[in-house]
Order: sequence, then structure tokens, then C-alpha cells
Amino acid sequence: GAVVSQHPSWVICKSGTSVKIECRSLDFQATTMFWYRQFPKQSLMLMATSNEGSKATYEQGVEKDKFLINHASLTLSTLTVTSAHPEDSSFYICSATSSFQETQYFGPGTRLLVL
Amino acid sequence: AQTVTQSQPEMSVQEAETVTLSCTYDTSESDYYLFWYKQPPSRQMILVIRQEAYKQQNATENRFSVNFQKAAKSFSLKISDSQLGDAAMYFCAQPGAGGTSYGKLTFGQGTILTVHP
Repeated sequence: GAVVSQHPSWVICKSGTSVKIECRSLDFQATTMFWYRQFPKQSLMLMATSNEGSKATYEQGVEKDKFLINHASLTLSTLTVTSAHPEDSSFYICSATSSFQETQYFGPGTRLLVL
Repeated sequence: AQTVTQSQPEMSVQEAETVTLSCTYDTSESDYYLFWYKQPPSRQMILVIRQEAYKQQNATENRFSVNFQKAAKSFSLKISDSQLGDAAMYFCAQPGAGGTSYGKLTFGQGTILTVHP
């Protein structure tokens, strides 16, 4: 299957600061990327859908001003958690796909801890 | 709206035995895809198997197979000859409106599978 990377894999930050997470599609052009949030032993919760060159579409209840998503190229999408608070601590997963792919391909995830 | 239900929060199996994980879904699409993903302790999501609804034949990938009952909207995963490496959280998933393989996914609640040596 296709390979998707995420960076960083682990980040600790102070409350009030912003954190940027990168998601890269390494071997195919991803017209669409998704961002998920996952709490321990729970399912993945879709936060937003990002199409290359367009504004992201956020799911209901997700604050678009807090979780800024940029998908400026066919291989890179970024999620910026602005003014992070301890309740934003979670595991964030991205996935990438296109109409040529048989499914979404997931990155390895980023653990965010806000102190 | 699509819904996916996994009614077994946890399952366990002895090594080399067979286990079946259940999943039911709801969709208004006539043609769609269904997926099973595995999330091991590393938390990397891995595609286990996918099924295209228009295909009557159940999908199979080595020791993994599905029992797809379209009328009942049931999509169970059977793991044969279970191995210690199969221990993971398993998610059933279906795409949203349009039913395409590359659309946004709705996931079930997940089933934690423990494999005993």
C-alpha cells in the first residue's frame, strides 16, 4: 500500500502555544487528506476533510479557528493546533487518498501533550 | 447518515484458533465499499480487507475473510489460525455519501482483540 508519513510523532507543548503537524503522502498524489482525532481505546473521530487547493471542510463541532488545516500541495497537508490547551491533548492521525486509490492510507499518528 | 456498529468491545482467542468480529452498518447507497482496519499497539492504521458491495463473493486476504450479508447489512471479519501479531483493535468502516473507496469514512466503535498463546 501507499505510504503516508506524519511529523512529529510526539510533541509536548505549553498551554497557549501553537503546534503544527505535517502529513505527507510519499508515493502518490493525494488530492484529499483527512484529519482524525483519537482518544485511548476509542474510535477515530473525523475532524476535517482537506482537498488540495481548497479550504478544508470541518465536521460539526470542530473549531476551524482552533484547528487550522492547509493542503497547499498534492503531497502535504498541515494541521495547526492554535493556542493549545490541555484538553487538546490527544492522538492525531492523518490519511491521504485520491480517486485512483482503493482506500485511504493512514499516517502513523502524532501524540500531542499540552501541559 | 451512515452508521457503523461493532457490538463487541472486546474479544479474545487462543493462538491458532478462529475468531469472528461482527459489524453492522446502515447506508442508503446501492453500491459502496466496506473496510476492516487493524490498529496494533503502535497505533498505525492498517487496511486488513475491503469488500465491494456489488461483488457477491466474500473478500479474502490470506487468513482474513469476511462474511458480507448485503440484505442484512452485516459485514463480519473472520480471522483463521490466529497469531499473536493479530492482537490489535479492529475497526469496521464504510465511506460516506457516494460510497466510493476514497471518500470520508465512518468507523465503528472498534473491537479489541486479545490473542492468548
